[in-house]
Amino acid sequence: DVKVTQSSRYLVKRTGEKVFLECVQDMDHENMFWYRQDPGLGLRLIYFSYDVKMKEKGDIPEGYSVSREKKERFSLILESASTNQTSMYLCASSDGTYPDRAFFGQGTRLTVV
Amino acid sequence: GENVEQHPSTLSVQEGDSAVIKCTYSDSASNYFPWYKQELGKGPQLIIDIRSNVGEKKDQRIAVTLNKTAKHFSLHITETQPEDSAVYFCAASLSSGGSYIPTFGRGTSLIVHP
Repeated sequence: DVKVTQSSRYLVKRTGEKVFLECVQDMDHENMFWYRQDPGLGLRLIYFSYDVKMKEKGDIPEGYSVSREKKERFSLILESASTNQTSMYLCASSDGTYPDRAFFGQGTRLTVV
Repeated sequence: GENVEQHPSTLSVQEGDSAVIKCTYSDSASNYFPWYKQELGKGPQLIIDIRSNVGEKKDQRIAVTLNKTAKHFSLHITETQPEDSAVYFCAASLSSGGSYIPTFGRGTSLIVHP
């Protein structure tokens, strides 16, 4: 089974802090994604990557950056956390054969105070 | 870009009843339609998917139908059980930069009453 692991289930950070959310997948998938989930808004794509060191902006990239130095790891960075970034963050991955079939991690609930 | 509308936002049924969730999409080029189930405290899990070269797919108590002409697809759950209670998301895939990026609906909260 595909396993996508996010480093933290719950995180509380202060406004202005730099925040790192880590995601690791164990299936050698080419594609990795970061989504944000808010009630009533569904899943919104922040960034995605289809190869090491490659990144593409999604629908809501403002205030975020990403890093993919190794194929299995995709990091989401909040340069200066703000209260409106309080949300559930979901990492996902997919392979090259079925790139549209995404497998999700368990999510990180981030609270910015 | 692609836009996916999902209805209803909340669905309450009695155990044993059927449940139907409907989605419409805007981009006629979309050709892959997955459904995800998200249980409380967990990430979404793929439960069934359909590609545009078929009109229906079934897996035990769940089925998905696709009408390409009308650009809508539906999830059908028969003989619902309390463990079916979850948030369900539909999605449609959009090709971008060499990778297929799903666009998600806003989700349907299904509540199955024992």
